[in-house]
Amino acid sequence: KNEVEQSPQNLTAQEGEFITINCSYSVGISALHWLQQHPGGGIVSLFMLSSGKKKHGRLIATINIQEKHSSLHITASHPRDSAVYICAVIGIQGAQKLVFGQGTRLTINP
Amino acid sequence: DTAVSQTPKYLVTQMGNDKSIKCEQNLGHDTMYWYKQDSKKFLKIMFSYNNKELIINETVPNRFSPKSPDKAHLNLHINSLELGDSAVYFCASRDGLAVNEQFFGPGTRLTVL
Repeated sequence: KNEVEQSPQNLTAQEGEFITINCSYSVGISALHWLQQHPGGGIVSLFMLSSGKKKHGRLIATINIQEKHSSLHITASHPRDSAVYICAVIGIQGAQKLVFGQGTRLTINP
Repeated sequence: DTAVSQTPKYLVTQMGNDKSIKCEQNLGHDTMYWYKQDSKKFLKIMFSYNNKELIINETVPNRFSPKSPDKAHLNLHINSLELGDSAVYFCASRDGLAVNEQFFGPGTRLTVL
């Protein structure tokens, strides 16, 4: 079993819908990344958080350290949000190794 | 201005060849990483350097050898390429002083024939 599990693995929705992607992890962490990978292949960091909640535009990320769980929400989804969203946790040791979830492929239809 | 750059973007080569991928960052970071993304899009760390010193060396075949000539560059040399080495390789960097965000390069798609 992977140390970082995401759900769902695939998600298709209509434009305008509220989207939630979940991430659960089984190890102690110092922080958690949400990453976005577009079909072109590049990886962009959306958030890094270690507690509470962060918001950038229509994206919201939350984390519950006690429950070892994080969620990424997209409000008013748009076809340009179609991408793979990857959760990655940063270990406690000093090297800050990233351990990745398997990714969630999101498709927003117009 | 490109923050983390990789060359080449695409690399197609024959089995048994030796090839290198280069990575450079202009962010002033002191820690750099190599990640491998397999055909199922799963990412896994390979190596990390901090100020030219190797700090992470995952279970990677000896055919893979990272080299960091200075803290802005981390190159990956692969000897005796095998079919299973076909993947996308991503370089990343971060500021090593605290728990900080990592910035990724555009990736190098390696295809071994």
